[in-house]
Amino acid sequence: LAKTTQPISMDSYEGQEVNITCSHNNIATNDYITWYQQFPSQGPRFIIQGYKTKVTNEVASLFIPADRKSSTLSLPRVSLSDTAVYYCLVTFTGGGNKLTFGTGTQLKVEL
Amino acid sequence: GAGVSQSPRYKVAKRGQDVALRCDPISGHVSLFWYQQALGQGPEFLTYFQNEAQLDKSGLPSDRFFAERPEGSVSTLKIQRTQQEDSAVYLCASSLGSGGKYEQYFGPGTRLTVT
Repeated sequence: LAKTTQPISMDSYEGQEVNITCSHNNIATNDYITWYQQFPSQGPRFIIQGYKTKVTNEVASLFIPADRKSSTLSLPRVSLSDTAVYYCLVTFTGGGNKLTFGTGTQLKVEL
Repeated sequence: GAGVSQSPRYKVAKRGQDVALRCDPISGHVSLFWYQQALGQGPEFLTYFQNEAQLDKSGLPSDRFFAERPEGSVSTLKIQRTQQEDSAVYLCASSLGSGGKYEQYFGPGTRLTVT
C-alpha cells in the first residue's frame, strides 16, 4: 500500500478553517483515501473517504487533485473539541482491508 | 448495542501471565480487526477475521498471540506469557463488509500494562 506523509502537528484557533495535507505518491488505481480522527483514550473514528475530486459530509471536506498523489482534509470552523490526532490512510478496495496508520497529525485548537 | 465494546478496559498483568481480551463487534458486521497501539504511535494491524475465518494474521508479533472468533461474532485476543513489550492499547474494529470502502468502527480499546 502507498505510504502517506502528513505533518506531525498543527495549531489553530477556534473558528478557523484547518487544512491538513497528506501526500501519497504511490497510490494505486484501486486505492481510496480515508481519514480517521482519534481522541485520547478512544479508538479512531472514521471522518471521510474519497477517490477523486471533492467529497463533503457534515464534518469535513476532502479535496483530491487529478493525479491523486496528495489530498487535503478541510475542517471548517474548528472548535476546541476538534483537538485530536488525524490519520490519513490509503485503503485498498479489495477484501481484507487492514488499515495502515502512520503517526498522524496532532491538531491542537486553542481559544 | 450501539457500537463496538471491549472488555476489560484496563488490564494489569504480571510478566509471564496469560491474558484474554474480549471484543463485541457491531451486530451483523462480517469483518473484525485487531490492532495494537503503542503510546504516541498509530494503531498497528494484528489480525483480521471474516465471519469466523481468520484470513490474515500477519501482524501478530509472536506465537504468544492468538485470536479467535468461533461463531463469527465475539472475538477474543489471547496473549500468553506476557512480556513488558506487550504493554499497549489493544483496539478492536468491525465493519459491515470487507474492503477499503467499508468504514471500520473501533471500540474504546483495552489498555494492557505488563509489570
